[in-house]
Amino acid sequence: ILNVEQSPQSLHVQEGDSTNFTCSFPSSNFYALHWYRWETAKSPEALFVMTLNGDEKKKGRISATLNTKEGYSYLYIKGSQPEDSATYLCAWYGNNRLAFGKGNQVVVIP
Amino acid sequence: DTAVSQTPKYLVTQMGNDKSIKCEQNLGHDTMYWYKQDSKKFLKIMFSYNNKELIINETVPNRFSPKSPDKAHLNLHINSLELGDSAVYFCASSHLHGTANEKLFFGSGTQLSVL
Repeated sequence: ILNVEQSPQSLHVQEGDSTNFTCSFPSSNFYALHWYRWETAKSPEALFVMTLNGDEKKKGRISATLNTKEGYSYLYIKGSQPEDSATYLCAWYGNNRLAFGKGNQVVVIP
Repeated sequence: DTAVSQTPKYLVTQMGNDKSIKCEQNLGHDTMYWYKQDSKKFLKIMFSYNNKELIINETVPNRFSPKSPDKAHLNLHINSLELGDSAVYFCASSHLHGTANEKLFFGSGTQLSVL
């Protein structure tokens, strides 16, 4: 069973505030953890691919950390802007395929 | 230039009809996929093809038949459409198959509504 859970499912953030959310995944047989950003009416786009325990990745104001031993990854948005409004999907690689979570829907309020 | 393009964007049809969704990628990737966004909003893999060869075939009714005429195209044909087939279908591609750190490139989705 490929269980990828993301929480919270949705969150509203005031512009300028920082926020973070969680992806939890099976800790056994870990190969990779992906984060995708999915804006409304667009295609999901890859943000990060992480493979090593303790990995930290950063892209502008967005960063992610990875703990493969306990099976979780955090995504952080620093100083949220309206253009950060999107659904953030994480996906765990196992059995030769990616298993996606439901996503964290972020709405940044101006 | 759209990297992964799928058509149509919207498809409304009657139960029992047969329909196709087309997908093309111009990235030179070897692997293409079909994903379905189910009613609970999960993206679930249906099929993957590597260089025209079927690699992953999830537990999908055999009314769904993928066809890959070449590695740049992966079409999805659905026979005898049912109400439960209503969903958003996403095509995706990646450079290689079976490589954990290969990111996916997605099409914009096809929203299928079966009436």
